[in-house]
Amino acid sequence: NAGVTQTPKFQVLKTGQSMTLQCAQDMNHNSMYWYRQDPGMGLRLIYYSASEGTTDKGEVPNGYNVSRLNKREFSLRLESAAPSQTSVYFCASILPTSGVTYEQYFGPGTRLTVT
Amino acid sequence: GNSVTQMEGPVTLSEEAFLTINCTYTATGYPSLFWYVQYPGEGLQLLLKATKADDKGSNKGFEATYRKETTSFHLEKGSVQVSDSAVYFCALSVSTGGGNKLTFGTGTQLKVEL
Repeated sequence: NAGVTQTPKFQVLKTGQSMTLQCAQDMNHNSMYWYRQDPGMGLRLIYYSASEGTTDKGEVPNGYNVSRLNKREFSLRLESAAPSQTSVYFCASILPTSGVTYEQYFGPGTRLTVT
Repeated sequence: GNSVTQMEGPVTLSEEAFLTINCTYTATGYPSLFWYVQYPGEGLQLLLKATKADDKGSNKGFEATYRKETTSFHLEKGSVQVSDSAVYFCALSVSTGGGNKLTFGTGTQLKVEL
């Protein structure tokens, strides 16, 4: 049981390049999330998917797109990277879509630098 | 909207010292409260949680009590160890139809020295 996995671990992009961050979970969770972590700002929600087939914007969605490929996988795409997107990106998942609150499980993160 | 305010770090303590990290919140609705810990180079792990007023969450010697009257969820540990050095995040979640979204504080870095 690997939990939440993310690829790649590190990435350096030039301004204007595109890339996709991959996330997968093997816990049969319904909901998945993408966060970015910046110094002094905690974690901020970019996009989330409450269940397979649905996606919604979070607090800071501009410049990003997401795809819930299936129940296991939730990818984050940067179409045209900007230096302001330099950050550490975390994927997380949780079992229920609503009701009782369970903990979110986090992946190890992807450290992205845009030059 | 929802927000979490936690004390700024870094906090530096000697081993076996008492730890308090303050956390207060504002929320629409009835939130669940969490403390997450992030060790260097890793993702976040749940440390403890409380889902209703007066609940006490505890784990690995850490405790926090859900205080609705003061909208607080302060983290405490009686005797810290070097291995507790990490960043600690307070967070809340208000269950809605779409998502169990977490709202995080900015994090407090703890450094424990011998």
